[in-house]
Amino acid sequence: AQTVTQSQPEMSVQEAETVTLSCTYDTSENNYYLFWYKQPPSRQMILVIRQEAYKQQNATENRFSVNFQKAAKSFSLKISDSQLGDTAMYFCAFMNLWDGSSNTGKLIFGQGTTLQVKP
Amino acid sequence: ETGVTQTPRHLVMGMTNKKSLKCEQHLGHNAMYWYKQSAKKPLELMFVYSLEERVENNSVPSRFSPECPNSSHLFLHLHTLQPEDSALYLCASSQDRSSYNSPLHFGNGTRLTVT
Repeated sequence: AQTVTQSQPEMSVQEAETVTLSCTYDTSENNYYLFWYKQPPSRQMILVIRQEAYKQQNATENRFSVNFQKAAKSFSLKISDSQLGDTAMYFCAFMNLWDGSSNTGKLIFGQGTTLQVKP
Repeated sequence: ETGVTQTPRHLVMGMTNKKSLKCEQHLGHNAMYWYKQSAKKPLELMFVYSLEERVENNSVPSRFSPECPNSSHLFLHLHTLQPEDSALYLCASSQDRSSYNSPLHFGNGTRLTVT
């Protein structure tokens, strides 16, 4: 079974600084997707960034980028120039490619990392 | 306007009560989901509906009963719940089921407290 582990329950960073959130996962599959979601105090989960496992190039979305290490099964999120609005809980998630079977296509989440951006 | 609207935002109910959570999506999506978010635990997928047909029941106790009358609405009917069912219940939708190009859009959740 696939699992996703976020080893940092809480982190903090000063405004304008850079922070990296770690995520590791376990799977025997070769093709899959990885995601980072953000959940601010409003509680709505928002997609931050996504990565296809067969792409070696790390995904980037403005101030958010990932360090995808497929062999190490690691998928960390780097937030540059942190802003107060980045304060939220961040979830790493994994999804197998959909093949119609019940074990694929499910989005499996980690436990989350609470990030506090300090002024 | 989030695109996915959940009501109520908060709900307190006794163990003998019957209540329902409502979810509505305005995105024209074909798949809808219920997730349970408990403190210090990963989000747990409860149910998946695709084109109004339930395609996933993730070993959820029968005291939780989903209903999807059409592709825009999803309900979660609750009865005889236990205190450990207290959690944040999140509804989500996606254009198609389980596609990289069809990410989940979440609502703001219903915070449920069972007393």
